[in-house]
Amino acid sequence: DSGVTQTPKHLITATGQRVTLRCSPRSGDLSVYWYQQSLDQGLQFLIQYYNGEERAKGNILERFSAQQFPDLHSELNLSSLELGDSALYFCASSVDSGGNSPLHFGNGTRLTVT
Amino acid sequence: GENVEQHPSTLSVQEGDSAVIKCTYSDSASNYFPWYKQELGKRPQLIIDIRSNVGEKKDQRIAVTLNKTAKHFSLHITETQPEDSAVYFCAASKSGTGNQFYFGTGTSLTVIP
Repeated sequence: DSGVTQTPKHLITATGQRVTLRCSPRSGDLSVYWYQQSLDQGLQFLIQYYNGEERAKGNILERFSAQQFPDLHSELNLSSLELGDSALYFCASSVDSGGNSPLHFGNGTRLTVT
Repeated sequence: GENVEQHPSTLSVQEGDSAVIKCTYSDSASNYFPWYKQELGKRPQLIIDIRSNVGEKKDQRIAVTLNKTAKHFSLHITETQPEDSAVYFCAASKSGTGNQFYFGTGTSLTVIP
């Protein structure tokens, strides 16, 4: 167990809908990263937060948004869903924002858009 | 920005043989190199990491080597077992603000019993 909690584990929804994915980092970790992994693909970086502030953006679509709350949990909001958004979404946490510490991944949320 | 290339994309070995996965990076400022193992449908798990002030690190059957001059690092798995079958990702990061982790495209390792 990595200590990173992601909910829900599975999500099935229809095109055009909006969903929210939730992540609680490991105790003591201030950084949260979101990654998207499509079938048989690598890890695509979406966005990073550190102590409530956005630190970096990757290939995140405008239909997607995220935030990190004062208690350090983070939410990833996906709207106007398309079939191609079906993927595993991972949250990872790290103790710092400086890239010096390993990422610890949650078990992911599997999103299926029908 | 950083670019991490990983080879091979697939690798099959007989049980008991060694497996080697290689990664190259482009940014000489990168100074931390973790390796992750991802079993099918599961989360990536850190298996070993190395920092730029170290040339080699070992943990039982797993070792990682780093050549800063050539900007490449490798994962070595000895005495492979069927449970080593998974996708392995390398990554490179450097200190600073912003996204510091750049992942390779992954190597699917199959260990044949």
